[in-house]
Amino acid sequence: QSVLTQPPSVSAAPGQKVTISCSGSISNIGNNYVCWYQQFPGTAPKLLIYDDNKRPSGIPDRFSGSKSGTSATLGITGLQTGDEADYYCATWDSRLNAGVFGGGTKLTVL
Amino acid sequence: QVQLVQSGSELKKPGASVKISCKASGYSFTRSPVDWVRQVPGQGLEWMGWIDTSTENPTYARGFTGRFVFSLDTSISTAYLQINSLEPADTAIYYCARDAGYSSSHFDFWGQGTLVTVSS
Repeated sequence: QSVLTQPPSVSAAPGQKVTISCSGSISNIGNNYVCWYQQFPGTAPKLLIYDDNKRPSGIPDRFSGSKSGTSATLGITGLQTGDEADYYCATWDSRLNAGVFGGGTKLTVL
Repeated sequence: QVQLVQSGSELKKPGASVKISCKASGYSFTRSPVDWVRQVPGQGLEWMGWIDTSTENPTYARGFTGRFVFSLDTSISTAYLQINSLEPADTAIYYCARDAGYSSSHFDFWGQGTLVTVSS
């Protein structure tokens, strides 16, 4: 059971927009920065968003992050078939004194 | 460019030990912590803990105390994860990752992963 809650799967058509939610609590999302990771099958995760809403160099602006209270959201616009992957949110939990991940969301581009 | 290169896949018997390496290059090794993340095949990511590369002090997540050991050889910019008394439940991919901060989950570079299979 993950500390952060994500939907197991989301889907949308090419060109459309999708959002992936990540729900936590005051001890994690509520007081710490959130990161998002993209993982393709058989490969290592890749940083997509850090500090709630910042994109590392090379990440297209189709990817965005936001946070409100104890929830965070990853948005992906202009969906492409190449975006099909697993997406994980992550943050620090000040009560557990540990890093925590969401359970992951599988994105299907129909 | 920053790279983390991990050692290759391992097949071990229950009760044995394994030591995975994670060689860093392209940055000052002792300036960024190294974290370890486990992924059981078909499942999600699980944070195992981190090691402060400047003090060599390790911190282990709950569930990863006792049999798991983080260590360093700063002379060759390499971090290690040793797992003792292996159990079939330890079968997983283990990733090292550069931590962009302290007390964060901001992992800006990852190793390619090392598959450890524990089977008799």
